[in-house]
Amino acid sequence: SAVISQKPSRDICQRGTSLTIQCQVDSQVTMMFWYRQQPGQSLTLIATANQGSEATYESGFVIDKFPISRPNLTFSTLTVSNMSPEDSSIYLCSGAGQGGNEQYFGPGTRLTVT
Amino acid sequence: DAKTTQPPSMDCAEGRAANLPCNHSTISGNEYVYWYRQIHSQGPQYIIHGLKNNETNEMASLIITEDRKSSTLILPHATLRDTAVYYCIVPPNTGNQFYFGTGTSLTVIP
Repeated sequence: SAVISQKPSRDICQRGTSLTIQCQVDSQVTMMFWYRQQPGQSLTLIATANQGSEATYESGFVIDKFPISRPNLTFSTLTVSNMSPEDSSIYLCSGAGQGGNEQYFGPGTRLTVT
Repeated sequence: DAKTTQPPSMDCAEGRAANLPCNHSTISGNEYVYWYRQIHSQGPQYIIHGLKNNETNEMASLIITEDRKSSTLILPHATLRDTAVYYCIVPPNTGNQFYFGTGTSLTVIP
């Protein structure tokens, strides 16, 4: 299994600003993913973070709004740009290790936009 | 993508077995079934996964029907700490993306 940490754990931001969320894995993982969980709802996949190349975004999510970096096999960032109150959610990252397809999830970053 | 259908909620008495069903009738031959749970305010936790054979680990058992169109997660002796939302997921074999459904909210009752 992999242990995943996220920073910050929570933040309150003003409309129009941007926030970068960091995801660190304690071991090398083949794949990393970013999810959003809006209040009272299930998780929605935002994108697959590809090491050394552009992320692959799901329908309804675009790079200008959610730029993602993955410089190596243990680290990724998600930026929520030009935030509005509708972006208030929990953002989670996950990693899938080599040799297995199960994903391990971070604790999430709770974002509130005012 | 194989879609999954789960009952929205279930109750279980503490100490009894919790049996959580999942339908995945459009699953293809080489797609796995994964089960996760999410305890309030935490990230999802991996429980178990399987392809066609029944699986058991220290947390749970997974029973997959012979035609693979449905499965059941069994928590043999439910405790209050098992109260959570349980998700059954069938990722596509092309990329392992997880598309979460609404899950089953399990409440373990003292």
